[in-house]
Amino acid sequence: ETGVTQTPRHLVMGMTNKKSLKCEQHLGHNAMYWYKQSAKKPLELMFVYSLEERVENNSVPSRFSPECPNSSHLFLHLHTLQPEDSALYLCASSQDWQDYNSPLHFGNGTRLTVT
Amino acid sequence: AQSVTQLGSHVSVSEGALVLLRCNYSSSVPPYLFWYVQYPNQGLQLLLKYTSAATLVKGINGFEAEFKKSETSFHLTKPSAHMRDAAEYFCAVSERDTGFQKLVFGTGTRLLVSP
Repeated sequence: ETGVTQTPRHLVMGMTNKKSLKCEQHLGHNAMYWYKQSAKKPLELMFVYSLEERVENNSVPSRFSPECPNSSHLFLHLHTLQPEDSALYLCASSQDWQDYNSPLHFGNGTRLTVT
Repeated sequence: AQSVTQLGSHVSVSEGALVLLRCNYSSSVPPYLFWYVQYPNQGLQLLLKYTSAATLVKGINGFEAEFKKSETSFHLTKPSAHMRDAAEYFCAVSERDTGFQKLVFGTGTRLLVSP
């Protein structure tokens, strides 16, 4: 496989459930990102990891818990979500986390619906 | 902080017509700018990026963008639209005061192409 792979593609969960989103990058990049894409809103950066260390937590509620066990894998653990958390969650990676010229490479996202 | 503004949430063109998608940026330092495209049910794909090497940047799928410092603009163009260009387009700028690569996105412009 190449690029950035996200699973599952679709997820429906109740507000009391616990689930996890998975992201894997096969590009040899050293930074990984979680973005949230909601209708009619700009993409919102949630978390940034570089070499398995979190370098950004953009005021995200604690019901979202990221995990980066190695430079190729990124998880987003979800628990007690709210309906307004329904959105497309996008994972991305970049080659050099300190290079402002380095583009982000995105996965196809997980469409999350909270009922 | 850096930001981008995309004028027009929707742009409609006929197949074969010129495509013009507008992006204005705000930055106190020379910006790093990007254009991304998002097809339905997919993640974001890089179209092109501005790195100060040349003001006219050519990207994939026949798109190009011109950096105009005097107008703080980075508009995306394509001479002749195809049906397959129908998608949502996002302009983004590197937020360069963070110490790491962080992209700030505009709200997007949906391109509609009619036969």
